[in-house]
Amino acid sequence: DTAVSQTPKYLVTQMGNDKSIKCEQNLGHDTMYWYKQDSKKFLKIMFSYNNKELIINETVPNRFSPKSPDKAHLNLHINSLELGDSAVYFCASSQDPGHINNSPLHFGNGTRLTVT
Amino acid sequence: EDQVTQSPEALRLQEGESSSLNCSYTVSGLRGLFWYRQDPGKGPEFLFTLYSAGEEKEKERLKATLTKKESFLHITAPKPEDSATYLCAVQARTPLVFGKGTRLSVIA
Repeated sequence: DTAVSQTPKYLVTQMGNDKSIKCEQNLGHDTMYWYKQDSKKFLKIMFSYNNKELIINETVPNRFSPKSPDKAHLNLHINSLELGDSAVYFCASSQDPGHINNSPLHFGNGTRLTVT
Repeated sequence: EDQVTQSPEALRLQEGESSSLNCSYTVSGLRGLFWYRQDPGKGPEFLFTLYSAGEEKEKERLKATLTKKESFLHITAPKPEDSATYLCAVQARTPLVFGKGTRLSVIA
């Protein structure tokens, strides 16, 4: 059974379009995250939600808007896509926020976004 | 600013040739250091958490150690299936900070 699943796996779109990536976890975790891995493989946090509440927002452009309808889901909507948004986006979850109990992250398999 | 530096960037080993990966960190108030394994096209997979200097954790052919400035991931008699990118991350204040990883290739 997939613990953290995200869709789609690949997303190719043109500049200026709006797109969404969906994420679901079946681990019963309270905290979910979006990470961005750029072409240099550097993994950087974008957002974190704990029990549907935003707790981390790391200097991400306003074009990126996360939404958490419930504890098990965290979606990422991106408006007016730019070439620099091309990257692999990973969803992750943990039992609780890492800065409290050092809970390890469980990652999905990523969504490769290509903006042309 | 918290920083994590991993070396080498890439490492090529013959099967059975033991070696170590390094993770140097500069953080204020380390709460935990994590090692993850990432296979191509997959998300990182959790391996270990280390909390304090002197601590060691083992899993199959992998052993992680921690000092006050760095962590090592020792790989003993590696097999081709150990080929992956190994990521180190530190937890101090939020958020978790990752290094860029070491890409390990084990040749049969």
